[in-house]
Amino acid sequence: EAQVTQNPRYLITVTGKKLTVTCSQNMNHEYMSWYRQDPGLGLRQIYYSMNVEVTDKGDVPEGYKVSRKEKRNFPLILESPSPNQTSLYFCASSPRGDSLFYEQYFGPGTRLTVT
Amino acid sequence: AQTVTQSQPEMSVQEAETVTLSCTYDTSENNYYLFWYKQPPSRQMILVIRQEAYKQQNATENRFSVNFQKAAKSFSLKISDSQLGDTAMYFCAFSVDSSYKLIFGSGTRLLVRP
Repeated sequence: EAQVTQNPRYLITVTGKKLTVTCSQNMNHEYMSWYRQDPGLGLRQIYYSMNVEVTDKGDVPEGYKVSRKEKRNFPLILESPSPNQTSLYFCASSPRGDSLFYEQYFGPGTRLTVT
Repeated sequence: AQTVTQSQPEMSVQEAETVTLSCTYDTSENNYYLFWYKQPPSRQMILVIRQEAYKQQNATENRFSVNFQKAAKSFSLKISDSQLGDTAMYFCAFSVDSSYKLIFGSGTRLLVRP
């Protein structure tokens, strides 16, 4: 089944404890992206990747890191999480890295709480 | 700065009736794409419909259609014959060609009443 998977789905952690949210897609998509969803703000793009080893900042990259060493994986790293990073996180992928016209396939979301 | 505005935080509609969700955007670019995504209570994001800015004809997908007014920078979504399964948060989104960024509005929560 074609899908985007994220792990974990739910995570409660403490301030400053490094964590990684994994994202994997099995559709051989070039483009991958991370978003965070907060009430009243919609989804905001954190980082995106047009292909392996090519990443760039979205609108809210502060406090996050990403890497794209393999085409299928695009992990999101929080080196020192803070309470303002409590949010619902989505990973998405899209077939082409040169155009966003194509549909983005979203993962199921990761609910992160930082205390 | 490029922005997307959804001015209706919540809407409700009677089952089988028609409802229109509003979206406006701001850009100085000429080539861009517009999207409506649906997020039901399951939280899954689902593409409803998309439109290329250079196409004047409004996109349609079954009961869903858009009214794209490029000069007014408006991209509203019309849902005909509303069904209970249409209850969801709806997000308007926008991407400038070659920018690789997707910008979302704040969403409109739609409730379909039986």
